[in-house]
Amino acid sequence: DAGVTQSPTHLIKTRGQQVTLRCSPISGHKSVSWYQQVLGQGPQFIFQYYEKEERGRGNFPDRFSARQFPNYSSELNVNALLLGDSALYLCASSFQGEPYGYTFGSGTRLTVV
Amino acid sequence: QQQVKQSPQSLIVQKGGIPIINCAYENTAFDYFPWYQQFPGKGPALLIAIRPDVSEKKEGRFTISFNKSAKQFSLHIMDSQPGDSATYFCAASIGSSNTGKLIFGQGTTLQVKP
Repeated sequence: DAGVTQSPTHLIKTRGQQVTLRCSPISGHKSVSWYQQVLGQGPQFIFQYYEKEERGRGNFPDRFSARQFPNYSSELNVNALLLGDSALYLCASSFQGEPYGYTFGSGTRLTVV
Repeated sequence: QQQVKQSPQSLIVQKGGIPIINCAYENTAFDYFPWYQQFPGKGPALLIAIRPDVSEKKEGRFTISFNKSAKQFSLHIMDSQPGDSATYFCAASIGSSNTGKLIFGQGTTLQVKP
């Protein structure tokens, strides 16, 4: 079975640009969560979606947005990129959003120059 | 109150040694405490997890010790191997919460020397 897949794996953007990151959950999982992991730190919660509805939001500015599609895949959008947005963006899926048995993807490495 | 503090930041042990990583929390509503292992270029992978109604849990060479009164928990890796060299994160969550939000510690980079 395929795990959580994220695309692209690496991305370089310029300050001020916009970026879209994609995530496909494990088959059967209906919830997707997004985390930002800055180098040398633990992941920070950004969003959780379940059945296309936003269930939780972390302490991130409105430049960050996300959505979930009917097939449970998800996109994370970041507008007006700042140098500080450079990080590994992780997607995790679970059956109904519970923290038990979270499965993380390998992430998208975003570099803002 | 939402923080999880992890120490040490880095750790070097010889093969066969028992590295110990410690975490502390403040929010008594937390009721799920997982440990994740992360290799370079990969996402975190769940290693072992514990709930506050038990004081210890073992899975293979990995053991979590939990002290509810002190609001601390730790990971012990028995008979450590070079393949265990990775970054380890503790985390905490309110399991009954429908957001599934995990609060992570800052990570411990472990190096096991052959």
